[in-house]
Amino acid sequence: GENVEQHPSTLSVQEGDSAVIKCTYSDSASNYFPWYKQELGKRPQLIIDIRSNVGEKKDQRIAVTLNKTAKHFSLHITETQPEDSAVYFCAASMGGQGFSFIFGKGTRLLVKP
Amino acid sequence: DGGITQSPKYLFRKEGQNVTLSCEQNLNHDAMYWYRQDPGQGLRLIYYSQIVNDFQKGDIAEGYSVSREKKESFPLTVTSAQKNPTAFYLCASSNRVEAFFGQGTRLTVV
Repeated sequence: GENVEQHPSTLSVQEGDSAVIKCTYSDSASNYFPWYKQELGKRPQLIIDIRSNVGEKKDQRIAVTLNKTAKHFSLHITETQPEDSAVYFCAASMGGQGFSFIFGKGTRLLVKP
Repeated sequence: DGGITQSPKYLFRKEGQNVTLSCEQNLNHDAMYWYRQDPGQGLRLIYYSQIVNDFQKGDIAEGYSVSREKKESFPLTVTSAQKNPTAFYLCASSNRVEAFFGQGTRLTVV
């Protein structure tokens, strides 16, 4: 079936360093790729998204890149801060008869001060 | 996020009891989902529904049941057959251009 793989499952970086989280998807009809941030005990919140007609999108310290040929997309966080510590989820829209979104399993990011 | 509401926020259950978690959305989304999240872990799909009166098992459906009698509602019942039900439960809804999560229900078996 369709799938979204997310790596790594945990990531630890020093404050100020960059963090990269990668996802791959299987449905070639996918055309929308959101990223969510979940702080402890709270719901995942949408932080950035990208559509298939765009290769890169930036919003301050976060950016997302998309490679449709390779079917992978990545979240980049620069100049990481302790408040970036959270669980991050990727997702991909499904174009076929399957359910409309598949979520990655999540990456726990820890930013050490 | 959007108009998706889960209730209650905290729920305590005695062993051997069934409990039902509520999820309601007013976003006119066709698809709804239930995920389980254990401490420090990612999302595991329990059930999902693409349209009213239809739902499919996810990766960990054993010990859970759902219904989708209305587009707005997708309640999850945690039955006594679920051996380790203590977890954080997240509901989500989507169409093909957006997806939102509810605020979650933390279920504890006492």
